[in-house]
Amino acid sequence: GAVVSQHPSRVICKSGTSVKIECRSLDFQATTMFWYRQFPKQSLMLMATSNEGSKATYEQGVEKDKFLINHASLTLSTLTVTSAHPEDSSFYICSARDPNMGTDTQYFGPGTRLTVL
Amino acid sequence: AQSVSQHNHHVILSEAASLELGCNYSYGGTVNLFWYVQYPGQHLQLLLKYFSGDPLVKGIKGFEAEFIKSKFSFNLRKPSVQWSDTAEYFCAVNLYSGNTPLVFGKGTRLSVIA
Repeated sequence: GAVVSQHPSRVICKSGTSVKIECRSLDFQATTMFWYRQFPKQSLMLMATSNEGSKATYEQGVEKDKFLINHASLTLSTLTVTSAHPEDSSFYICSARDPNMGTDTQYFGPGTRLTVL
Repeated sequence: AQSVSQHNHHVILSEAASLELGCNYSYGGTVNLFWYVQYPGQHLQLLLKYFSGDPLVKGIKGFEAEFIKSKFSFNLRKPSVQWSDTAEYFCAVNLYSGNTPLVFGKGTRLSVIA
Protein backbone atom coordinates (compact mmCIF):
# COMPACT_ATOMS: atom_id res chain seq x y z
CA GLY A 1 0.00 0.00 0.00
CA ALA A 2 0.85 3.65 -0.17
CA VAL A 3 3.45 4.94 2.23
CA VAL A 4 3.48 8.20 4.10
CA SER A 5 6.54 9.24 6.07
CA GLN A 6 7.05 11.82 8.77
CA HIS A 7 10.21 13.44 9.98
CA PRO A 8 11.31 13.66 12.68
CA SER A 9 9.71 10.80 14.57
CA ARG A 10 10.51 12.40 17.88
CA VAL A 11 11.62 15.89 18.85
CA ILE A 12 12.33 17.62 22.13
CA CYS A 13 12.62 21.38 22.17
CA LYS A 14 12.79 24.28 24.57
CA SER A 15 9.82 26.49 25.21
CA GLY A 16 9.71 29.40 22.80
CA THR A 17 11.45 27.69 19.91
CA SER A 18 9.87 26.57 16.64
CA VAL A 19 9.70 23.04 15.33
CA LYS A 20 9.06 21.89 11.75
CA ILE A 21 7.50 18.52 11.02
CA GLU A 22 7.56 17.09 7.50
CA CYS A 23 5.00 14.78 5.94
CA ARG A 24 5.82 13.07 2.66
CA SER A 25 3.86 10.79 0.39
CA LEU A 26 6.50 8.41 -0.93
CA ASP A 27 4.90 6.69 -3.91
CA PHE A 28 1.96 8.83 -4.87
CA GLN A 29 1.06 12.46 -5.33
CA ALA A 30 -1.21 13.91 -2.71
CA THR A 31 -3.10 17.07 -3.50
CA THR A 32 -4.55 17.00 -0.02
CA MET A 33 -2.94 16.13 3.27
CA PHE A 34 -4.45 16.29 6.73
CA TRP A 35 -2.80 17.09 10.04
CA TYR A 36 -4.10 15.51 13.23
CA ARG A 37 -3.16 15.77 16.86
CA GLN A 38 -3.47 12.88 19.29
CA PHE A 39 -3.38 13.36 23.03
CA PRO A 40 -2.48 10.42 25.28
CA LYS A 41 -5.20 7.79 25.34
CA GLN A 42 -7.45 9.93 23.18
CA SER A 43 -8.52 9.96 19.59
CA LEU A 44 -7.11 11.87 16.68
CA MET A 45 -8.37 15.43 16.36
CA LEU A 46 -8.18 17.11 12.99
CA MET A 47 -6.13 20.30 13.06
CA ALA A 48 -6.10 21.37 9.44
CA THR A 49 -6.47 20.38 5.84
CA SER A 50 -3.45 21.12 3.69
CA ASN A 51 -4.03 21.72 -0.02
CA GLU A 52 -1.16 21.85 -2.48
CA GLY A 53 -0.66 25.35 -3.80
CA SER A 54 -3.21 27.04 -1.59
CA LYS A 55 -3.77 28.05 2.02
CA ALA A 56 -4.56 25.44 4.59
CA THR A 57 -8.01 25.17 6.11
CA TYR A 58 -7.89 25.16 9.88
CA GLU A 59 -10.40 23.63 12.23
CA GLN A 60 -12.14 25.78 14.77
CA GLY A 61 -9.94 26.48 17.74
CA VAL A 62 -6.65 25.80 15.96
CA GLU A 63 -4.45 28.90 15.75
CA LYS A 64 -3.23 29.28 12.18
CA ASP A 65 -0.44 31.65 13.24
CA LYS A 66 0.87 29.12 15.70
CA PHE A 67 0.57 26.02 13.53
CA LEU A 68 1.92 27.05 10.13
CA ILE A 69 1.18 24.65 7.30
CA ASN A 70 2.89 24.71 3.94
CA HIS A 71 2.05 22.31 1.12
CA ALA A 72 4.62 23.35 -1.44
CA SER A 73 4.59 20.22 -3.59
CA LEU A 74 2.41 17.23 -4.32
CA THR A 75 4.49 15.03 -2.05
CA LEU A 76 5.36 17.29 0.87
CA SER A 77 3.46 19.15 3.54
CA THR A 78 5.10 20.75 6.56
CA LEU A 79 3.68 21.73 9.94
CA THR A 80 5.65 24.29 11.92
CA VAL A 81 4.81 24.75 15.56
CA THR A 82 5.91 28.31 16.29
CA SER A 83 6.92 29.53 19.75
CA ALA A 84 6.19 26.11 21.19
CA HIS A 85 4.99 25.78 24.77
CA PRO A 86 4.64 22.72 27.00
CA GLU A 87 0.92 22.48 26.24
CA ASP A 88 1.84 21.90 22.58
CA SER A 89 3.47 18.63 23.56
CA SER A 90 1.55 15.96 21.71
CA PHE A 91 1.63 13.34 18.98
CA TYR A 92 1.19 14.90 15.55
CA ILE A 93 0.05 12.68 12.71
CA CYS A 94 -0.41 13.47 9.05
CA SER A 95 -2.39 11.62 6.45
CA ALA A 96 -2.44 11.84 2.69
CA ARG A 97 -5.16 10.93 0.27
CA ASP A 98 -4.19 8.82 -2.71
CA PRO A 99 -6.50 9.98 -5.51
CA ASN A 100 -5.78 6.81 -7.49
CA MET A 101 -7.29 4.61 -4.80
CA GLY A 102 -10.89 5.61 -5.16
CA THR A 103 -13.04 7.64 -2.85
CA ASP A 104 -10.99 9.09 -0.07
CA THR A 105 -8.63 6.35 0.97
CA GLN A 106 -6.20 8.02 3.34
CA TYR A 107 -2.84 6.75 4.46
CA PHE A 108 -1.31 7.79 7.74
CA GLY A 109 2.21 8.68 8.64
CA PRO A 110 3.87 7.14 11.70
CA GLY A 111 3.50 10.32 13.71
CA THR A 112 5.85 12.77 15.39
CA ARG A 113 6.04 13.00 19.14
CA LEU A 114 6.76 16.55 20.22
CA THR A 115 7.91 17.28 23.75
CA VAL A 116 8.30 20.92 24.75
CA LEU A 117 10.30 21.51 27.90
CA ALA B 1 -21.36 18.30 13.10
CA GLN B 2 -20.36 14.73 12.55
CA SER B 3 -19.42 12.64 15.55
CA VAL B 4 -18.38 9.06 16.07
CA SER B 5 -19.03 7.06 19.23
CA GLN B 6 -17.17 3.95 20.22
CA HIS B 7 -18.92 2.33 23.13
CA ASN B 8 -16.10 0.36 24.64
CA HIS B 9 -13.02 2.04 25.99
CA HIS B 10 -11.13 -1.15 26.84
CA VAL B 11 -12.00 -4.71 25.93
CA ILE B 12 -10.16 -7.72 27.33
CA LEU B 13 -10.61 -11.08 25.64
CA SER B 14 -9.04 -14.48 25.77
CA GLU B 15 -7.52 -15.93 22.62
CA ALA B 16 -10.10 -17.57 20.34
CA ALA B 17 -12.93 -15.49 21.77
CA SER B 18 -15.18 -13.61 19.37
CA LEU B 19 -14.93 -9.87 19.09
CA GLU B 20 -17.44 -7.16 18.37
CA LEU B 21 -16.57 -3.48 18.76
CA GLY B 22 -19.37 -0.99 18.51
CA CYS B 23 -19.31 2.18 16.42
CA ASN B 24 -22.12 4.65 15.87
CA TYR B 25 -21.99 7.88 13.95
CA SER B 26 -24.21 10.89 13.83
CA TYR B 27 -24.72 12.28 10.37
CA GLY B 28 -27.79 12.18 8.21
CA GLY B 29 -26.08 12.24 4.84
CA THR B 30 -24.10 9.69 2.90
CA VAL B 31 -20.85 8.76 4.55
CA ASN B 32 -17.76 6.65 4.08
CA LEU B 33 -16.91 4.43 7.04
CA PHE B 34 -13.55 3.12 8.14
CA TRP B 35 -11.90 1.04 10.81
CA TYR B 36 -8.26 1.70 11.55
CA VAL B 37 -5.94 -0.24 13.84
CA GLN B 38 -2.91 1.08 15.71
CA TYR B 39 -0.59 -1.61 17.02
CA PRO B 40 1.66 -0.63 19.93
CA GLY B 41 4.34 1.73 18.73
CA GLN B 42 3.10 1.71 15.14
CA HIS B 43 1.12 4.04 12.94
CA LEU B 44 -2.50 3.79 11.96
CA GLN B 45 -3.33 1.13 9.41
CA LEU B 46 -6.55 0.69 7.49
CA LEU B 47 -8.42 -2.48 8.45
CA LEU B 48 -11.41 -2.06 6.19
CA LYS B 49 -13.68 0.53 4.65
CA TYR B 50 -17.23 0.90 3.38
CA PHE B 51 -18.16 3.27 0.59
CA SER B 52 -21.21 1.64 -1.00
CA GLY B 53 -22.67 -1.72 -2.03
CA ASP B 54 -22.67 -4.81 0.18
CA PRO B 55 -23.03 -3.56 3.77
CA LEU B 56 -20.92 -6.44 5.05
CA VAL B 57 -17.32 -5.63 4.30
CA LYS B 58 -14.34 -7.85 4.84
CA GLY B 59 -10.95 -6.48 5.72
CA ILE B 60 -7.51 -7.72 6.46
CA LYS B 61 -6.57 -10.23 9.14
CA GLY B 62 -10.02 -11.80 9.31
CA PHE B 63 -11.87 -8.67 10.38
CA GLU B 64 -15.25 -7.68 9.01
CA ALA B 65 -17.73 -4.92 9.66
CA GLU B 66 -21.40 -4.47 8.95
CA PHE B 67 -22.97 -1.17 8.00
CA ILE B 68 -26.53 -0.88 9.32
CA LYS B 69 -27.87 2.37 7.96
CA SER B 70 -31.01 2.40 10.09
CA LYS B 71 -28.90 2.19 13.23
CA PHE B 72 -26.11 4.49 12.04
CA SER B 73 -23.75 1.73 13.05
CA PHE B 74 -20.62 0.13 11.66
CA ASN B 75 -19.56 -2.53 14.15
CA LEU B 76 -16.30 -4.40 13.78
CA ARG B 77 -16.21 -8.17 14.24
CA LYS B 78 -13.79 -11.02 14.28
CA PRO B 79 -14.86 -14.61 15.05
CA SER B 80 -11.67 -15.64 16.82
CA VAL B 81 -9.11 -13.17 18.12
CA GLN B 82 -5.41 -13.78 18.48
CA TRP B 83 -2.85 -12.33 20.86
CA SER B 84 -1.44 -10.35 17.93
CA ASP B 85 -4.74 -8.47 17.64
CA THR B 86 -3.87 -6.53 20.78
CA ALA B 87 -4.07 -2.92 19.61
CA GLU B 88 -6.11 0.27 19.58
CA TYR B 89 -9.03 0.28 17.15
CA PHE B 90 -10.50 3.48 15.73
CA CYS B 91 -13.73 3.91 13.85
CA ALA B 92 -13.80 6.88 11.47
CA VAL B 93 -16.26 8.59 9.17
CA ASN B 94 -16.13 11.17 6.42
CA LEU B 95 -18.55 12.68 4.00
CA TYR B 96 -19.22 10.80 0.78
CA SER B 97 -18.34 13.88 -1.25
CA GLY B 98 -14.73 12.86 -1.04
CA ASN B 99 -11.52 14.64 -0.16
CA THR B 100 -12.84 15.40 3.29
CA PRO B 101 -11.08 14.76 6.59
CA LEU B 102 -11.87 11.84 8.79
CA VAL B 103 -13.73 12.20 12.07
CA PHE B 104 -12.50 9.62 14.53
CA GLY B 105 -14.06 7.90 17.47
CA LYS B 106 -12.15 7.87 20.74
CA GLY B 107 -10.82 4.40 20.09
CA THR B 108 -11.17 1.04 21.79
CA ARG B 109 -8.20 -0.66 23.31
CA LEU B 110 -8.28 -4.42 22.78
CA SER B 111 -6.17 -6.62 24.99
CA VAL B 112 -6.02 -10.30 24.08
CA ILE B 113 -4.69 -12.60 26.75
CA ALA B 114 -3.42 -16.12 26.30
